[in-house]
Amino acid sequence: QQQVKQSPQSLIVQKGGISIINCAYENTAFDYFPWYQQFPGKGPALLIAIRPDVSEKKEGRFTISFNKSAKQFSLHIMDSQPGDSATYFCAARDGGATNKLIFGTGTLLAVQP
Amino acid sequence: DVKVTQSSRYLVKRTGEKVFLECVQDMDHENMFWYRQDPGLGLRLIYFSYDVKMKEKGDIPEGYSVSREKKERFSLILESASTNQTSMYLCASRSRPLRHNEQFFGPGTRLTVL
Repeated sequence: QQQVKQSPQSLIVQKGGISIINCAYENTAFDYFPWYQQFPGKGPALLIAIRPDVSEKKEGRFTISFNKSAKQFSLHIMDSQPGDSATYFCAARDGGATNKLIFGTGTLLAVQP
Repeated sequence: DVKVTQSSRYLVKRTGEKVFLECVQDMDHENMFWYRQDPGLGLRLIYFSYDVKMKEKGDIPEGYSVSREKKERFSLILESASTNQTSMYLCASRSRPLRHNEQFFGPGTRLTVL
C-alpha cells in the first residue's frame, strides 16, 4: 500500500518529441505528488508537483496529469531537449503523521539530438 | 542559495568498520532525512528527524543509526559496515510540512564497502 510504481525504467526520445513517465499508487491517504529530476553527480531536485484536487498542472514544457479515480499520475515533457536527459522520480506524500515521501523507482531519460 | 552539503562525495571502507556520514544544511530546516539510492529501487528512506534530538525509523533502518545534536547537522552511522550497504547515500532537508513540502537534497555520498 505504501508503494509507488513507476514505468518505464528507461526511455529514449528524439529531440523535439514527447517524453511520458507514468506512476501508480494504492494508498488514498497520499495527498501530494511531486516529481524530482536528478542529473548525474547531483542530488534530486523538485521539478513540479500536484495536489489531488486538480487534474493537471503545467509549468513550461512540463505537465503533470493526475487521475484520482485510477490512482495514476504521469509526467509529460513536451519538445524534449538533450538537456532534459536525467533520471526522473515520481513520489507521493503520506498525508498521515509522518508526511514522508514515498519515491518511485526512477526513469532514466535519454533525449537524442 | 539553499544548500545541503555532505561530508564526502566518495568513501571506501572495509567490512566491519564504523562509518559516519555527515550532512549539514544552511536553511534552518526542522526536518532532515537520510535515503539510500540503488539502481532499480529508487530512493528508500533510512531515518528521518523532525527536529533536534528527534529521530524516526524509515523503511530500511536495519544496520543504521542516526544522530541529530544540532539543528543544521544530521549524521548517519553504520555501526559495522557490510558489503550490502554499498550504495549512494542522499541527505535531504525540509521546512515543517507546509503546502509545498519541498525536500532539498545534497549531492550524495557514494559508499563502497569492501
